[in-house]
Amino acid sequence: EVQLVESGGGLVQPGGSLRLSCVGSGFTFKNFDMSWVRQTPGQGLESVADISTTGDLIYHADSVKGRFTISRDNSKSTLYLQMNSLRGEDTAIYYCAKDRVVGPSPSPIDYWGQGTLVSVTS
Amino acid sequence: DIVMTQSPDSLAVSLGERATINCKSSQSILYNSNNKNYLAWYQQKPGQPPRLLISWASSRESGVPDRFGGSGSGTDFTLTISSLQADDVAVYFCHQYYTTPNTFGRGTKLEIK
Repeated sequence: EVQLVESGGGLVQPGGSLRLSCVGSGFTFKNFDMSWVRQTPGQGLESVADISTTGDLIYHADSVKGRFTISRDNSKSTLYLQMNSLRGEDTAIYYCAKDRVVGPSPSPIDYWGQGTLVSVTS
Repeated sequence: DIVMTQSPDSLAVSLGERATINCKSSQSILYNSNNKNYLAWYQQKPGQPPRLLISWASSRESGVPDRFGGSGSGTDFTLTISSLQADDVAVYFCHQYYTTPNTFGRGTKLEIK
């Protein structure tokens, strides 16, 4: 059974930092592109960052570029999101997400973690 | 970025009746070389992550009831639930994965009339 388990969310002040982690199991982690998608009641679903299987291709949304960094450790089947200089508008549920298709081809997301809440407030 | 516009925002349908949700992309998400539309539909229930229902615009995922169907091509797509069941109450999202950044519709809330 595929599982994605996120951790690292919480309450943080504006300007602060958090590091999200996502451990994948039940599939060959190194074979799949992974991503972080966030959800807010007002803005819906937003793709925050994507990373290829080896980490050589990375995408960050303009809204987080220069502040957030996606990375992965295939030896630990773990995806990360380092979030710095957090703002109120970053408040959201952050989901770890797995591509359905092996390798670099465009793909829907077939598995999502349960999500971790990040709340940025003073 | 490709903008995904869903309609309606909310929908109330009687049990056993048909529910139709629309999604329009701001540019074509049909890849001509393989004739595939890079469009997925998800179902999300309260407190849960989205669940993939349909990929490639019309390909139902394993385990998804056959009352769920996807159609459309190019820029206009539809999710149809042929006979609404109580368990189908949820928010439904469309998603284009044709290009980066992937983008999502804002969701359609489906309720029982």
